[in-house]
Amino acid sequence: DQQVKQNSPSLSVQEGRISILNCDYTNSMFDYFLWYKKYPAEGPTFLISISSIKDKNEDGRFTVFLNKSAKHLSLHIVPSQPGDSAVYFCAASKASGTYKYIFGTGTRLKVLA
Amino acid sequence: GAVVSQHPSRVICKSGTSVKIECRSLDFQATTMFWYRQFPKKSLMLMATSNEGSKATYEQGVEKDKFLINHASLTLSTLTVTSAHPEDSSFYICSASSSIKDSLIYNEQFFGPGTRLTVL
Repeated sequence: DQQVKQNSPSLSVQEGRISILNCDYTNSMFDYFLWYKKYPAEGPTFLISISSIKDKNEDGRFTVFLNKSAKHLSLHIVPSQPGDSAVYFCAASKASGTYKYIFGTGTRLKVLA
Repeated sequence: GAVVSQHPSRVICKSGTSVKIECRSLDFQATTMFWYRQFPKKSLMLMATSNEGSKATYEQGVEKDKFLINHASLTLSTLTVTSAHPEDSSFYICSASSSIKDSLIYNEQFFGPGTRLTVL
């Protein structure tokens, strides 16, 4: 039972354009959501998070949008850079920090120069 | 920032042997550590949650006698894969968090770089 899903396994975007990565979840108890970037054979790197009391959080080129009624979140990267090419995972939790995170299936982003 | 290390980064062993993987929080006290497993091109699957000084809580389907987790100190957790078999080959990742309120990383999780286990 995959509680967190990323339906697009891969995405290609031209450098300078916007990358939009999507994530859906099924458990309405999730209260805290995160996006991680991951390279092969490395641990995930935290990008940005959002709690359920917000619908948007922005940090530099990264913006996360949360639609609780649709149980959907998205990560926008603008402008996209070749260095952004990696696998992106969304994660959900019932709270931040010491609560377990449930990860999505990942989306491989390729930014073309 | 908070740093989590794992050792070894890569290990190859023969079927039937046991392998120990260490996860250390280098500059903070980790009251909680998590162990994940990632198969190629798949998601990170949570295996277990360990709180310092307590028995680990395993996720459904994870054999606790197969994957022994010890979190004896606030800076070290170990995962031992006992009697490893080729199907245990995977990428194992730990993360660490602190519920200590004056900790600089209170209520955030930091991930280690992972350990690639190959069982022949």
